Amino acid sequence: SQQGEEDPQALSIQEGENATMNCSYKTSINNLQWYRQNSGRGLVHLILIRSNEREKHSGRLRVTLDTSKKSSSLLITASRAADTASYFCATALASGSRLTFGEGTQLTVNP
Amino acid sequence: DAGITQSPRHKVTETGTPVTLRCHQTENHRYMYWYRQDPGHGLRLIHYSYGVKDTDKGEVSDGYSVSRSKTEDFLLTLESATSSQTSVYFCAIRGAVNEKLFFGSGTQLSVL
Repeated sequence: SQQGEEDPQALSIQEGENATMNCSYKTSINNLQWYRQNSGRGLVHLILIRSNEREKHSGRLRVTLDTSKKSSSLLITASRAADTASYFCATALASGSRLTFGEGTQLTVNP
Repeated sequence: DAGITQSPRHKVTETGTPVTLRCHQTENHRYMYWYRQDPGHGLRLIHYSYGVKDTDKGEVSDGYSVSRSKTEDFLLTLESATSSQTSVYFCAIRGAVNEKLFFGSGTQLSVL
């Protein structure tokens, strides 16, 4: 099974609202990353949070990490129609060079 | 954008034929990865490389082989294509462990 699992699978909101996506994982990690994928395109890195960090910001993005609960959340504030995409979390284990992805959350922002 | 190119972008082939996908990078990154993306499964790691001639299996490596004879090229071969290998294949690179990945644009492969 996947190391990272996103919740919800799909989210539909109106422009200007905030969007929150969650990611849970099973084993200890070195870092957790969030990626975005527009339809028909490759994934693009959004933000990386290390296991010793609890919160990180980048523009309208806010990521939190709770290692005790093995979970992370991605908050997109003041969403725009252009934020419509799939969002994936990916975990990097402490020991290896692999990055394991979840199944993604499909975000639709309606104008 | 990171200099990473996948070829071909689209391919249709028949069951039982060998297929090779190419990933080319101009970033001199050490690590290269092949993922496949299927509905309901997200991205799954097929094989990866941590240097020239150094490769390792991912979680869905059966039916696939890889080669890396130069830093810039990472080839994925489907030895005898099956319909279950119809998928979108993504190559990714990164310079160091535990850093971010840069993805190519993907190859849509259809096995009929």
